[in-house]
This record gives sequence, C-alpha cells and structure tokens, in this order.
Amino acid sequence: ILNVEQSPQSLHVQEGDSTNFTCSFPSSNFYALHWYRWETAKSPEALFVMTLNGDEKKKGRISATLNTKEGYSYLYIKGSQPEDSATYLCAPDQGGSEKLVFGKGTKLTVNP
Amino acid sequence: DAGVIQSPRHEVTEMGQEVTLRCKPISGHNSLFWYRQTMMRGLELLIYFNNNVPIDDSGMPEDRFSAKMPNASFSTLKIQPSEPRDSAVYFCASINTGGVPNYGYTFGSGTRLTVV
Repeated sequence: ILNVEQSPQSLHVQEGDSTNFTCSFPSSNFYALHWYRWETAKSPEALFVMTLNGDEKKKGRISATLNTKEGYSYLYIKGSQPEDSATYLCAPDQGGSEKLVFGKGTKLTVNP
Repeated sequence: DAGVIQSPRHEVTEMGQEVTLRCKPISGHNSLFWYRQTMMRGLELLIYFNNNVPIDDSGMPEDRFSAKMPNASFSTLKIQPSEPRDSAVYFCASINTGGVPNYGYTFGSGTRLTVV
C-alpha cells in the first residue's frame, strides 16, 4: 500500500499570513504528483500536476515544488485569504498508472 | 462540457436495499475512477476503468460492491445489499490518459449515501 503523508493535518492562519505544507511519498517508481484543492461541500479540484524533479508550478498566490529523489512536495500560499480555506490533497501517481492514492490532506482555515 | 455528472446527489436507503450510483464522465476522457470518502479513511479508490475495461478493483470492499462501464459515457457503482457502514460520499472522476500528465482528474459532485 502506497504511504502518502501530509503535514500538518490542520492549520489555522490569519488573513495575510503566508503558509506552507508538506506531502511525502515513496520516491521509487515516481511518475507524477498531483495537488488538489477541496472546499467543504464541493468536489476536489486539480491545482497542479508535477512530473520533474525540481519542478515549481504557480497559480496566482499558490505555488508548489517537487523533490522526486527524496519524495516530497511543498505547497505554498502567499498572503492567505479566507477563500483559500479548504483541504489540500496530494496524490502520487506511481509508474504512470494514473491510479492516484490520496493523502489525508491538510485542512487550512484562514481567519479574517 | 458540463463536467463529470453524478446522480443522484443524495440517496437515503434502508439496510438491505440495492443502491445504484451513476456517473457520466467528460466526453473524450478514457479513464474513470470511483472513490469513496469517509472520515476515517479519507478518499479511497474503489475501482478504475480504462477504455471501459476494469483495470484495478482491489479497493472494492467486498462482493456486495460491483461496478460496470458499458460504454465510454456511462458507469454505475452498485451496492447490494447495502449496509449502514456503506454510508459515505462516493465520487466519480475522469481523466484523459496517455501523453504528458498535465491535467489532473475532474471530479463529479459526489453522491452522499446514507444507509439507515
């Protein structure tokens, strides 16, 4: 069973704070790493799909980095806003099977 | 495109009844996934199809669960007989595989199943 760890489990920050969280995954047989944003009562939405070691992707105030050799990815949010409140999920794809195993997520709450 | 369409949005049924959840993937997507979300286990993969063929059903909890994909635009997940522990939100997702993986899954809105 693929072991995907996300930390912290939950995070409370103030509006305007910058924050980051971690996704750890087995580095063997790596193919791609997905990040999703999941708002309460909605369905997960894809943020990034990352494939290359050292890759960095950015969407607005959200960015992510990838280290495939050591098996981790960081997600950064600059200047958090209340609308960033959501659970952020990561999921590695091993071997290109497109079968994603999701971590439990980091639940972010941004207080106004 | 209307996205991945799931029905019903909510289902309440009595223990022992048959439940059928439906999913219409995005047109042109060749892989379809059924996930179940629970508090204890998060999002867990039940089964996935590629080009309408079941590829991996190792996540299906037991024989009470079955899934079909008769064509590229429709899939069902059936639970017979249903039990209270099956209560969860069931998500369907689709993706177009092959080539460089630039895009993630597109998820449906989910079906919230309650078995009483």
